[in-house]
Order: sequence, then structure tokens, then C-alpha cells
Amino acid sequence: AQSVTQLDSQVPVFEEAPVELRCNYSSSVSVYLFWYVQYPNQGLQLLLKYLSGSTLVKGINGFEAEFNKSQTSFHLRKPSVHISDTAEYFCAVSEYGNKLVFGAGTILRVKS
Amino acid sequence: EAGVVQSPRYKIIEKKQPVAFWCNPISGHNTLYWYRQNLGQGPELLIRYENEEAVDDSQLPKDRFSAERLKGVDSTLKIQPAELGDSAVYLCASSPTDWGGTGELFFGEGSRLTVL
Repeated sequence: AQSVTQLDSQVPVFEEAPVELRCNYSSSVSVYLFWYVQYPNQGLQLLLKYLSGSTLVKGINGFEAEFNKSQTSFHLRKPSVHISDTAEYFCAVSEYGNKLVFGAGTILRVKS
Repeated sequence: EAGVVQSPRYKIIEKKQPVAFWCNPISGHNTLYWYRQNLGQGPELLIRYENEEAVDDSQLPKDRFSAERLKGVDSTLKIQPAELGDSAVYLCASSPTDWGGTGELFFGEGSRLTVL
């Protein structure tokens, strides 16, 4: 069965600095990969997804993620963060035709 | 377009009491999901509906949890009796069709349950 590990529970960063949120997955078959974001007191919303094709995926709000099959990783990056990016970020994986499995989440705290 | 609507947003009950959560998915979305999110963890699927049929309820604790989606639109998740370990956020999500693992789920804001 698939599983997801988000290596950092919290990531503090100063405004305008770059950030990387790490995600590793475990699966015996091909997978689809997702990043969801949850702003305070709001529901989860899709940030970006990898289904096939280019391993570099661009999402909303300037975020991007790179699928690395050999390292079974799907790290999320942003070159310059804003205060408004403060939220919890969830990596998720789906084996084809199976349910979506989420990681434990990473809280991104952007400081001024 | 209205999003996924859940109620209540917050509920505090004593253990052994019943509780129910309601979800109204996005109009036209045939697939509806109930997830549970424990503190410090990611959401975990409890049940998935395709229209009114529960197609995946393998993670639903059936001794105390029940769910229904009678007309293939709104859904209710019930816990009876509640236990201390049921304290969590219950999330409802919907998607247009059986997404086959490739699509986007649209989540509601969740119902936060505290069992005392």
C-alpha cells in the first residue's frame, strides 16, 4: 500500500526567502502525486498535481514541485515566499484507481 | 459556484453521546468523501460514495460510525456512541466523477468534534 512521509512538521522562513517542503512516498506501482494547502480556518485546496509527462509541475501562487522517481520524492518549492503563504501543506499520493493517501502535513510559517 | 458546505463547524459533546455531521457537495459532483483528520496528522479516508452507493467503506469503524447519502446529493456521517478518541476534524470532499486517482478533490471547511 502507498504511504507518504513529510520530513518536516514545521518550516519557519523569512519573507522573500526560498523554501522547500519535502515529501517522500512509498509505492510498488506508478503513482499520481499531489500537494494540497490548508489556510487557517479553511478547507484543503489543490496546489498542484503530477499525473504524467514533465517531472516539473507548476501550481498556483508561484509554487512548483519536481517528481523524482528514483528518489521517490515530490518536493515542493517556491523561490520567494510571502506572509500570505503561511499555511499547512499536505503531500498526497494515489496509486491508479486507488484512494488518496495524505502525509502528516508541514506547517509553513513565514516571518517578516 | 458554492463550495462544499459542512455543518456544524464545531461540536462539543460528552462521551457516549451521539453526533451527526452534514455535508452538501458541489452541485453536479457525483463522488463524495468523508475524511477524518486527527491532530497533527493528514486526512484519512473513512468512506467514499459514487452517487448513493458506498464504494469504499473499508476504513469506516462500522460498530459506531454510519453514513448515508440517500438521494446521491447530501450526506450525513453519524457517530453513536462517541468515544474520546473520536475527537478530530471530519472533512467532506467531492469530485465530479469517480476520479480514478487523477482528479482534484474539493474540500469543505470541516467539522471539528471534541469529545469530553
